[in-house]
Amino acid sequence: QSALTQPASVSGSPGQSITISCAGTSSDVGSYNLVSWYQQHPGKAPKLMIYEDNQRPSGVSNRFSGSKSGNTASLTISGLQAEDEAHYYCFSYAGGSTWVFGAGTKLTVL
Amino acid sequence: QLVETGGGLIQPGGSLRLSCAASGFSVNSIYMSWVRQAPGKGLEWIAVMFSGGRTDYADSVKGRFTISRDNSKNTLYLQMSSLRAEDTALYFCATFPVGAYFDFWGQGTLVTVSS
Repeated sequence: QSALTQPASVSGSPGQSITISCAGTSSDVGSYNLVSWYQQHPGKAPKLMIYEDNQRPSGVSNRFSGSKSGNTASLTISGLQAEDEAHYYCFSYAGGSTWVFGAGTKLTVL
Repeated sequence: QLVETGGGLIQPGGSLRLSCAASGFSVNSIYMSWVRQAPGKGLEWIAVMFSGGRTDYADSVKGRFTISRDNSKNTLYLQMSSLRAEDTALYFCATFPVGAYFDFWGQGTLVTVSS
């Protein structure tokens, strides 16, 4: 159950777009349409932002979008806002009734 | 709503039971899971209870932790034993529809394993 690989940090200026990658394997990300993404502000519980690779829950801004190519999933945030500054985690089913998170990415809005 | 309780300071080798009281839905109608976060670290999935009652665990806690539920109290539990320093973390319970994603989370309860 190795963690999915995410960049430790990304940054962008307000109004810009950024993409956070989540690299897995053919046993997890590449095998199932079950990647989800979570936003976590300091001291808060995580919040679901994207599920099933590219579905956005009701109430989540359409500035957030998910995609996947092969064994790598991506979260794109367009029109960056100050409130988007947080940690972001990807998550995937890994087969055999096990699941795995990415190590997390800290997004800084400059 | 999900409310976790039961965290605290416990010595290595000790046991602790966490509770997650649910409201607005039945804990036996949906998959539910425990996720933990060590101080300053990332999220780690550790246990799932399927709606039918089957359970599964991450290798890091298998054989030491047990997830269960009490339908009459609408509460999910995590029984933790043989606790180690590396189990120190904030423990969250979350709803886990069909094992695909976590849509609702509690606020977490802190477990500190230290002598």
